[in-house]
Amino acid sequence: HSALTQPASVSGSPGQSLTISCTGTSSDVGGYNYVSWYQQHPGKGPKVLLYNVSNRPSGVSNRFSGSKSGNTASLTISGLQTDDEALYFCSSYSSGNSLVVFGGGTHLTVL
Amino acid sequence: QVQLQESGPGLVKPSQTLSLNCTVSGGSLSSGYYYWSWIRQPPGQGLEWIGYIYHNGNAYYSSSLKSRVSLSIEPSESQFSLKLSSVTAADTAIYYCARVSQMIFDSWGQGTLVIVSS
Repeated sequence: HSALTQPASVSGSPGQSLTISCTGTSSDVGGYNYVSWYQQHPGKGPKVLLYNVSNRPSGVSNRFSGSKSGNTASLTISGLQTDDEALYFCSSYSSGNSLVVFGGGTHLTVL
Repeated sequence: QVQLQESGPGLVKPSQTLSLNCTVSGGSLSSGYYYWSWIRQPPGQGLEWIGYIYHNGNAYYSSSLKSRVSLSIEPSESQFSLKLSSVTAADTAIYYCARVSQMIFDSWGQGTLVIVSS
């Protein structure tokens, strides 16, 4: 049971756009803008895609964007590419029992 | 570019202590700008934050693991370490070390699988 809720899987076709949600509470996602998103390819360590809800680190494609509404953060991937097929995690600062909480991860399949 | 590499036994017996090291290259553990963290991923499950440690040894732990976890850091050896005591099968996971800045886990190791089994 992960602290943040993500859909287990999503799929899309090359060129399409899709959105992955990350739902928490007012003690984490809803209360702070310390939401990050990570991409993980099989056998590799995660790579940060977005931080502070919508900021992209240098080198990350502008096809990745983020937003937040209430207790739910969202990652949108536009112009889907085959290399986007990966596992995506969200994380947030939390004022609850743990300083950091993660989502359960979403498998993205590019059909 | 900083790189992190986990190392340690891949098999630990139940009730024993799991010990892992993370070696950092291309960056200094003495920097006051970063925390150094451990995260784990049980098979088929999401990520779980274990804790992080600052260069001066101040550490912060997940409340669910706090009674069994200890982090340490040796900047002179470019290493920080994790000890998890009284392990059970539920502690079987891929363990990652990572660098953290302002709640951003900006660099990760590849991860190391630790199986708890007799």
